[in-house]
Amino acid sequence: GENVEQHPSTLSVQEGDSAVIKCTYSDSASNYFPWYKQELGKRPQLIIDIRSNVGEKKDQRIAVTLNKTAKHFSLHITETQPEDSAVYFCAASIIKAAGNKLTFGGGTRVLVKP
Amino acid sequence: DTEVTQTPKHLVMGMTNKKSLKCEQHMGHRAMYWYKQKAKKPPELMFVYSYEKLSINESVPSRFSPECPNSSLLNLHLHALQPEDSALYLCASSQDRANTEAFFGQGTRLTVV
Repeated sequence: GENVEQHPSTLSVQEGDSAVIKCTYSDSASNYFPWYKQELGKRPQLIIDIRSNVGEKKDQRIAVTLNKTAKHFSLHITETQPEDSAVYFCAASIIKAAGNKLTFGGGTRVLVKP
Repeated sequence: DTEVTQTPKHLVMGMTNKKSLKCEQHMGHRAMYWYKQKAKKPPELMFVYSYEKLSINESVPSRFSPECPNSSLLNLHLHALQPEDSALYLCASSQDRANTEAFFGQGTRLTVV
C-alpha cells in the first residue's frame, strides 16, 4: 500500500519568514495530493491540493509543488503569520470511483513566532 | 451548508458497553469515510462508503461496525472496545471521484474505560 513520509516533524519560524514542508510517497499510481491544516482540537481542513497532471499550484501565500519522477511534493507558506501555527498533514491518494482513500504523512507542527 | 456534523462530541464508554457514533452531511456527497486519529498522529482510514455501499474496510476489527442508512448519514457502531481504541474518530465526506476534496467533521473524542 501507499506510504507517505513527511519532514520535518516540527518547524519553528519567525513571523514573516517562509516555511517549507516536504513529503515523499511510495505508490507511483497516486494522483491526488492534498494538504490539510489541523489546529489544536479542531478538524483537519483542506488548504490546497494538487493533481498529478500539474507541477505547481498557488493560492495567495500558499503553494504546492509536485515532482512525479522523484515522487515528492512540498508545501510552501510565504510571509508566515501567527495564525499559520498548526499541524500540517500531507496526503496521497489514487482517485477511484470507490472513494478517495487518503494516506497521510506523519504531520508537521508549525510554530510561527511573533 | 458545507458542514459535516458528528455527534456526540465526547463519549466515555466501558468495555462492555454498546454505543454509536453518528455523522451527517447535506452537501449531496456520495462518499463518506471514518478515520481514527490518535494523539499527535495523522488520521488513519477505517472505512469508505461509496453510494451507500461499503467499498473499503482497512482490516478494522469487528468490534467496529459501520452503517450507512442513506446518502446523508453514516454511523459507527461500537461494541466491546478496548482502552487502546480511545481516540478521536473523524467522519469525512467527498462529492465523488471527480471532486476529491474531503470535508471532515469535528470528530468524536472517545474514551474507553
